[in-house]
Amino acid sequence: GNSVTQMEGPVTLSEEAFLTINCTYTATGYPSLFWYVQYPGEGLQLLLKATKADDKGSNKGFEATYRKETTSFHLEKGSVQVSDSAVYFCALSLLKGQAGTALIFGKGTTLSVSS
Amino acid sequence: DTGVSQNPRHKITKRGQNVTFRCDPISEHNRLYWYRQTLGQGPEFLTYFQNEAQLEKSRLLSDRFSAERPKGSFSTLEIQRTEQGDSAMYLCASSFLTGQGDNQPQHFGDGTRLSIL
Repeated sequence: GNSVTQMEGPVTLSEEAFLTINCTYTATGYPSLFWYVQYPGEGLQLLLKATKADDKGSNKGFEATYRKETTSFHLEKGSVQVSDSAVYFCALSLLKGQAGTALIFGKGTTLSVSS
Repeated sequence: DTGVSQNPRHKITKRGQNVTFRCDPISEHNRLYWYRQTLGQGPEFLTYFQNEAQLEKSRLLSDRFSAERPKGSFSTLEIQRTEQGDSAMYLCASSFLTGQGDNQPQHFGDGTRLSIL
């Protein structure tokens, strides 16, 4: 079946530290991959996406590269800020013509950044 | 862009009662999705609509759950005879499927938190 596995949190970092949140997936076909972020008390927001192998999604200093050979989509940021504290969700969506178009989410990784 | 709007934000009810939630998607979006999220978990897909047609339902959507999108705009999700296990955040999302079959990313509302006493 199709699934997403994220590293378990919480991840606790000091401001300006380097961030990596691991995400691997299992999918039939060729999924699109996403990172969503949920700030405290708010809804899910799309952070970045990649639709094919070797694509790099980027936004707000965050980056993730679609690695088909390792079925991974790890999230990275070179220097985190306190305002990055949130829950991060990795997700996949199967392309048109495949079974289903719903997003399949990982369990989420909580990031806490202290000053 | 007013975003995806969900009402109510919170709903507390007794076990066995019926509840209904509403979702207003982004106006030009033709696809609308419902998800459920429990504490410490990622959202789980329930169902989705393309315009007014309900195209897919998850196995999670028991016969106590029903969703409608009568005019292809807003949608309602009703839960009949609520149970303790229905306590969760119910999320709505919308997206635009282009004529070329490209499904644009989903935009989420803030959710409706359901608590069953």
